Amino acid sequence: DAGITQSPRHKVTETGTPVTLRCHQTENHRYMYWYRQDPGHGLRLIHYSYGVKDTDKGEVSDGYSVSRSKTEDFLLTLESATSSQTSVYFCAISESRDAYEQYFGPGTRLTVT
Amino acid sequence: DQQVKQNSPSLSVQEGRISILNCDYTNSMFDYFLWYKKYPAEGPTFLISISSIKDKNEDGRFTVFLNKSAKHLSLHIVPSQPGDSAVYFCAASERSRAGKSTFGDGTTLTVKP
Repeated sequence: DAGITQSPRHKVTETGTPVTLRCHQTENHRYMYWYRQDPGHGLRLIHYSYGVKDTDKGEVSDGYSVSRSKTEDFLLTLESATSSQTSVYFCAISESRDAYEQYFGPGTRLTVT
Repeated sequence: DQQVKQNSPSLSVQEGRISILNCDYTNSMFDYFLWYKKYPAEGPTFLISISSIKDKNEDGRFTVFLNKSAKHLSLHIVPSQPGDSAVYFCAASERSRAGKSTFGDGTTLTVKP
């Protein structure tokens, strides 16, 4: 299994509070991704990174920001959490641009009350 | 506009029989297709993939077929086993998008003993 961990694994927070989710990898892979998964929906890309300090938006990036100061860590921040951001968040990594397969972390279940 | 569609939310088959999961796509720029398997409370795991230059790829009990003219791919599992019960996601990628994948909504497969 790829070495990917996510923290926290579960979090309950109140509307309007900031939240940061962490993804940590030990594979030294260049590409990292944040997805959200909602009931009846597939995985939707929030943001991705193609190197340290190199990030870009995905299809559902509104309300989210990311940072990557080290190869191994990719942080997802909800600046002011809303109930619509209640979801399961998955981090994924891939080795290179040409390595289409992605390896996923175990997920973080976030509930915004 | 959903570019990757899995029109069957669920599928139930008997152990030992064939499971066929289907996926349709609309973007002709997609050049690589993947299937992921997801158990509850875990992250998705890569299962099998196929490049657009092929029409079939086989790995043990799993075979993926690609029909480019119909923009359709399918995953065959033969024989199906109870441990195959999971959610299966179809994903599509295009090289120009740095390996980012677009996911379908998933099909829940139940294999009955």
